[in-house]
Amino acid sequence: HLVESGGGLVKPGGSLRLSCAASGFTFNTAWMVWVRQPPGKGLEWVGRIKSKSDGGTTDFAAPVRGRFSISRDDSKNTVYLQMNSLKTEDTAVYYCSRDYFGATPVPWGQGTLVTVSS
Amino acid sequence: EIVLTQSPGTLSLSPGERATLFCRASQTLSDYLAWYQQKPGQAPRLLIYGALSRVTGIPDRFSGSGSGTDFTLTINRLEPEDSAVYYCQQYGSSLRTFGQGTKLEIK
Repeated sequence: HLVESGGGLVKPGGSLRLSCAASGFTFNTAWMVWVRQPPGKGLEWVGRIKSKSDGGTTDFAAPVRGRFSISRDDSKNTVYLQMNSLKTEDTAVYYCSRDYFGATPVPWGQGTLVTVSS
Repeated sequence: EIVLTQSPGTLSLSPGERATLFCRASQTLSDYLAWYQQKPGQAPRLLIYGALSRVTGIPDRFSGSGSGTDFTLTINRLEPEDSAVYYCQQYGSSLRTFGQGTKLEIK
């Protein structure tokens, strides 16, 4: 249902773009989020993009605001996380999910690992 | 930003016992509170939404309660497979946040 890709090793100050391919639900009306999990630590909400019909706006957690952006391509059922000015503390597994709280959620993907290190 | 504080940090119980996990919010949430289960090496799985509604397919051993700022996840008749980290998440504000997690160990 959700498959993340694009992770890898990047130097501090570098950039990376993650992708999340969705299937099994009506993507163009879905609000989509990115959540990350540093190694051995808890979950951290990163940001969200609303559906285009709801304005397509984005919100971000304070630690990434101004460095990360989220976009979507409804023709490809894909959401993207553009990460700039990366810091070592951005090292984490990044998950995408649907911003949905109801009886039949879409299972999360397995995530993609981003390692920021020199 | 709404801060969620979970307690206890770790819970160690035996099969058949009951686990009670707590989540306290820094601001009132009404009932916009969810619970997730995450097992080692796996992605999180939504268990409870709206503070007390179970996701389809989740056993009725799992129940949620609370409203406002104080919430509880109760797991009855613990089974070895319930060993996991449990997170609460609020969706009462545009900026969603997670609690730090409670690790449940089944002895």
